[in-house]
Amino acid sequence: AQSVAQPEDQVNVAEGNPLTVKCTYSVSGNPYLFWYVQYPNRGLQFLLKYITGDNLVKGSYGFEAEFNKSQTSFHLKKPSALVSDSALYFCAVRDQTGANNLFFGTGTRLTVIP
Amino acid sequence: SQTIHQWPATLVQPVGSPLSLECTVEGTSNPNLYWYRQAAGRGLQLLFYSVGIGQISSEVPQNLSASRPQDRQFILSSKKLLLSDSGFYLCAWNGQGGEKLFFGSGTQLSVL
Repeated sequence: AQSVAQPEDQVNVAEGNPLTVKCTYSVSGNPYLFWYVQYPNRGLQFLLKYITGDNLVKGSYGFEAEFNKSQTSFHLKKPSALVSDSALYFCAVRDQTGANNLFFGTGTRLTVIP
Repeated sequence: SQTIHQWPATLVQPVGSPLSLECTVEGTSNPNLYWYRQAAGRGLQLLFYSVGIGQISSEVPQNLSASRPQDRQFILSSKKLLLSDSGFYLCAWNGQGGEKLFFGSGTQLSVL
């Protein structure tokens, strides 16, 4: 069965510094991987996805993620953090057995300190 | 353009009372529809998904049920709520073969 793991519940970073939110995956076959962001009391918003091709995927709001097959990782990154980036971030993997379900990680709360 | 509506935004219900949460999608036809739950401090758990009218798949055994009476309507129900049903419920959809999920704004359910 496919799954993703987010090892950090909380990440704190100073404004202007680079940020990384970690995600590792477990799938049989080629993974379809996603990052979503959730602001307080809101639904999730799509940030970016990896299906195939270039290992560095660029997404919304200046975020990018690097797919690393040997390390089975898909870490989310941004060169310079903004206070407005503070939110809950979810990594997800697509169900390969049937309907287009996504299985989400437990989430990482990012706090950008002014 | 496509939009997803989910209501109510917040709900406080006593233990043992019934539940009905509704989700509708506009601007698309034959979407896949999903109900997720986000418990406090935890990730998202897929509860139900539907690929068509009357077709419901359940991911986890629970006190809840789902129905899809119309193509773009997805309802989450319970006959008797439990304390453990408290959480943030999210409806989502994607197109057939679509990879990206679009989420509603969520319902915060508190069972007291």
